[in-house]
Amino acid sequence: DTGVSQNPRHKITKRGQNVTFRCDPISEHNRLYWYRQTLGQGPEFLTYFQNEAQLEKSRLLSDRFSAERPKGSFSTLEIQRTEQGDSAMYLCASSLVFASTNEKLFFGSGTQLSVL
Amino acid sequence: DAKTTQPPSMDCAEGRAANLPCNHSTISGNEYVYWYRQIHSQGPQYIIHGLKNNETNEMASLIITEDRKSSTLILPHATLRDTAVYYCIVRVDGTSYDKVIFGPGTSLSVIP
Repeated sequence: DTGVSQNPRHKITKRGQNVTFRCDPISEHNRLYWYRQTLGQGPEFLTYFQNEAQLEKSRLLSDRFSAERPKGSFSTLEIQRTEQGDSAMYLCASSLVFASTNEKLFFGSGTQLSVL
Repeated sequence: DAKTTQPPSMDCAEGRAANLPCNHSTISGNEYVYWYRQIHSQGPQYIIHGLKNNETNEMASLIITEDRKSSTLILPHATLRDTAVYYCIVRVDGTSYDKVIFGPGTSLSVIP
């Protein structure tokens, strides 16, 4: 168990540029979540996958945001035409869910995005 | 999912018990109480969860009132490494986390 890995840890970009983040979940975890967190606030849900299927998207996820999880393993979150308001920590979490178990999330250390 | 209310910050002396309260007065009968914590520059970490009975594990104890409208997370002997933001959330077992609200949590400072 190597934990949830996120890359890069930090990303600085200019407004209008596209950025892509990667998340490698714990091996064999079937759910993967993306969250956004700003200073002083708790994580805000963006979207989640069950295996390769994207099952839910938050209203926070504008059409500039897209997430994929090909083959149900790693996931990418892309932000197109970044805006200064996109500056935040982007967290990924994974979990193993079967039957009606009490789901526990395992978070990565996040990618800190700064849009100049 | 029901919403929770926590004090924004608390202090605790090193070696003493830290008691972190959480109010969840609108909790439903099938909603569990979960606690996570987030140490600076890291993602949140699961601590403990419970439905209505008190729970204890190697990290903490969870005390849920009989009416289930509030709970307390207890760190029995706080250390400096327990300094973190603690989140109390409620969720229905068997559902995903998409409806779960992580509020701002309680920022616990353990003081030497």
